[in-house]
Amino acid sequence: DAKTTQPNSMESNEEEPVHLPCNHSTISGTDYIHWYRQLPSQGPEYVIHGLTSNVNNRMASLAIAEDRKSSTLILHRATLRDAAVYYCILRLGNTGKLIFGQGTTLQVKP
Amino acid sequence: DTEVTQTPKHLVMGMTNKKSLKCEQHMGHRAMYWYKQKAKKPPELMFVYSYEKLSINESVPSRFSPECPNSSLLNLHLHALQPEDSALYLCASSQVRLQGVTGELFFGEGSRLTVL
Repeated sequence: DAKTTQPNSMESNEEEPVHLPCNHSTISGTDYIHWYRQLPSQGPEYVIHGLTSNVNNRMASLAIAEDRKSSTLILHRATLRDAAVYYCILRLGNTGKLIFGQGTTLQVKP
Repeated sequence: DTEVTQTPKHLVMGMTNKKSLKCEQHMGHRAMYWYKQKAKKPPELMFVYSYEKLSINESVPSRFSPECPNSSLLNLHLHALQPEDSALYLCASSQVRLQGVTGELFFGEGSRLTVL
């Protein structure tokens, strides 16, 4: 199975944009790129997903490289409530099988 | 209702006990999942059910026995567990369409299991 690689941790200042990178060089053509985040003592929460094109929703934007070997999750204005572990995940086709990366712990400073 | 409800939130059991974890959703989702998460690690897939049938078993030991009695319920039966099985067990659900699983997974808050 393909895997993802993320930095262990990142810091951001409140109300500034945050770019969380992810490498997935062994991604196959039918793998979807998903991002979830997990706050302490909670289950993962869906953030965004895409296949080839960039995606926007109310929480974030997802920028996918043209060769699909990397992607970036963009939080446009970080708040203290955005402090969490962010997982870059590959979903294998339409199987529902999510392969979690190790995650990036995002700290947001006031 | 966009919730996945897991019970119990905490469970302590001995290695000879038999217990069950329960998961319920009322979003009409026809795919349900069990994940295991150790401290400071990402979740790992254990089982996937699609239309109440087991579709993926990630080579999980037989001391973990899943059951999907209907489209809203998912159980995980536990028997003869080891201390290393102590972890957070997460349930999730998602829609299934003709082409397969689409969209996002909705996760519960998990059941924290301690095996003594």
